[in-house]
Amino acid sequence: QKEVEQNSGPLSVPEGAIASLNCTYSDRVSQSFFWYRQYSGKSPELIMSIYSNGDKEDGRFTAQLNKASQYVSLLIRDSQPSDSATYLCAVRHYGGATNKLIFGTGTLLAVQP
Amino acid sequence: GAVVSQHPSRVICKSGTSVKIECRSLDFQATTMFWYRQFPKQSLMLMATSNEGSKATYEQGVEKDKFLINHASLTLSTLTVTSAHPEDSSFYICSARDPQGGSPLHFGNGTRLTVT
Repeated sequence: QKEVEQNSGPLSVPEGAIASLNCTYSDRVSQSFFWYRQYSGKSPELIMSIYSNGDKEDGRFTAQLNKASQYVSLLIRDSQPSDSATYLCAVRHYGGATNKLIFGTGTLLAVQP
Repeated sequence: GAVVSQHPSRVICKSGTSVKIECRSLDFQATTMFWYRQFPKQSLMLMATSNEGSKATYEQGVEKDKFLINHASLTLSTLTVTSAHPEDSSFYICSARDPQGGSPLHFGNGTRLTVT
């Protein structure tokens, strides 16, 4: 089982719709969760971070965390063509001398104009 | 916000040569930097954790003699791909955590390495 799992997609949504991206993780002791957006050929950029159960909203983005079920999701409201990218879920591993960030394989989102 | 600068952005080299990639934290001191590699249509794979003033910690399966990491100062880490081969062609990305800014990683712009 992969440590961080995402559906690779592509997830296609029409412009203006809500895009829902999901991620599950295997390590129950993980405490920090992040969503990154990566455009083709570019490095990832941080969209959201979430540390406690529940919802966290930032503009059109809402991150949801359920530690009991070990999943974290990202909702994008009013999706725009410019949101088309690969969305990477990342989970922080605590252990040893350093904290590692483990990435899922990413979900490709395509927003259709 | 915190900025991580990576150089070069793109490099083409011949098989058997070595390539050095630099990663700098521009407005914060990074005691720890991370090097990732990403093959096409795949996720970021952590290669190693670079620790200022000490040896890097390599992930399982990553050859430390091939991927030399030096973190000589709090703002600079370098990755040298030694005796590069075509299978080393990939997108290499460094990252660092701003200790003042909390947990999120800030990424450099990446280096596209092509070995011919």
